[in-house]
Amino acid sequence: GAVVSQHPSWVICKSGTSVKIECRSLDFQATTMFWYRQFPKQSLMLMATSNEGSKATYEQGVEKDKFLINHASLTLSTLTVTSAHPEDSSFYICSARANRDPTYEQYFGPGTRLTVT
Amino acid sequence: KNQVEQSPQSLIILEGKNCTLQCNYTVSPFSNLRWYKQDTGRGPVSLTIMTFSENTKSNGRYTATLDADTKQSSLHITASQLSDSASYICVVIPVFRAQKLVFGQGTRLTINP
Repeated sequence: GAVVSQHPSWVICKSGTSVKIECRSLDFQATTMFWYRQFPKQSLMLMATSNEGSKATYEQGVEKDKFLINHASLTLSTLTVTSAHPEDSSFYICSARANRDPTYEQYFGPGTRLTVT
Repeated sequence: KNQVEQSPQSLIILEGKNCTLQCNYTVSPFSNLRWYKQDTGRGPVSLTIMTFSENTKSNGRYTATLDADTKQSSLHITASQLSDSASYICVVIPVFRAQKLVFGQGTRLTINP
């Protein structure tokens, strides 16, 4: 149980285009999902917290107009990188917290490798 | 200063040997501490979860310890296998703002045959 999937697993796009990454909780409902980015040899950095049916909460320094987050259902959150630039190339990981889980366990997806050329 | 510090940054050992990874934290108060394994190009996978009142937790060849007095945790890997090559991340969950995990920088472990 507690499986989180991401799609695509890797994507290459041209500078200036937009790319959408999906995060799904496959066997549980998740009111809250989280988006992280990870640069090589560094740990995960929280970008934003995605709440079903409401606006995402972005961490300081993360441009909300560039990284659009939509959490339209209890099992799906999407991250859209708009007008992508080479510096947006990174490993993007989502996680999901099961509803009413008192341990606040976050289950991580397998990640999406984004390369902007 | 990072609230969760891990050491060493990287470690290379021979297959079959044991090793211990360290995690020092300043996050306080905290509800639980977790160790994750992250294979290259994959998302983190939970190995152990310990509440602040627990001292040790095992998961197969992985044994985590926690000393809340000294604010230290360790992850001991027994009889290492090639598949243990990965990054190991120590994560602390604060009591306040529990949704914002505090990550260590990770230890990159390489197992050589």
